[in-house]
Amino acid sequence: DIQLTQSPSFLSASVGDRVTITCRASQGISSYLAWYQQKPGKAPKLLIYAASTLQSGVPSRFSGSGSGTEFTLTISSLQPEDFATYYCQQLNSYPFTFGPGTKVDIK
Amino acid sequence: EVQLVESGGGLVQPGGSLRLSCAASGFTFSSYEMNWVRQAPGKGLEWVSYISSSGSTIYYADSVKGRFTISRDNAKNSLYLQMNSLRAEDTAVYYCAREYALYYYYMDVWGKGTTVTVSS
Repeated sequence: DIQLTQSPSFLSASVGDRVTITCRASQGISSYLAWYQQKPGKAPKLLIYAASTLQSGVPSRFSGSGSGTEFTLTISSLQPEDFATYYCQQLNSYPFTFGPGTKVDIK
Repeated sequence: EVQLVESGGGLVQPGGSLRLSCAASGFTFSSYEMNWVRQAPGKGLEWVSYISSSGSTIYYADSVKGRFTISRDNAKNSLYLQMNSLRAEDTAVYYCAREYALYYYYMDVWGKGTTVTVSS
């Protein structure tokens, strides 16, 4: 199975900050990576797929990059509604594993 | 409106069984692969099971293999998860999620989830 790690696991940031989250895969997954945002008590929401393609309706301050084994999610200017937990997921092969998550909290 | 609505969760004793349902609307259900994903209290997301659009291909996480059975009824626009021999560690919110699978893959539509609690 492909394992995903995320760093950091927790980050504290202020509104307007640029935030970067890294996801690393235990083996190459090409660009078969998605990013999701989850708020407490809510279902995950797809932000980015194919490593760098923004899902329709997602603000352009979110961006993704990477391929192979290292990927990043960047929020260019953190907004109040962005405080949440972010998960990466590999969709290269089953099981479609998720990363452990990165919680973005208010500084 | 594209929508997935899960139901069937509840409190069950260890060793018991439960059947979850996911009702789809607003899209052509029979054209999409579907998944179950769960989230234990205070924990991250765990992929549980996959079923192809026709139902001919199925995958399970090792943690549920042999105990859970995924199925679908395209005529009823419904996805199911039969859960047997339930354990305390199966306690979680269970989400159904639509999978887009053409050139790339992702889960673009999620239900709100149904809560399963396994406890005596």
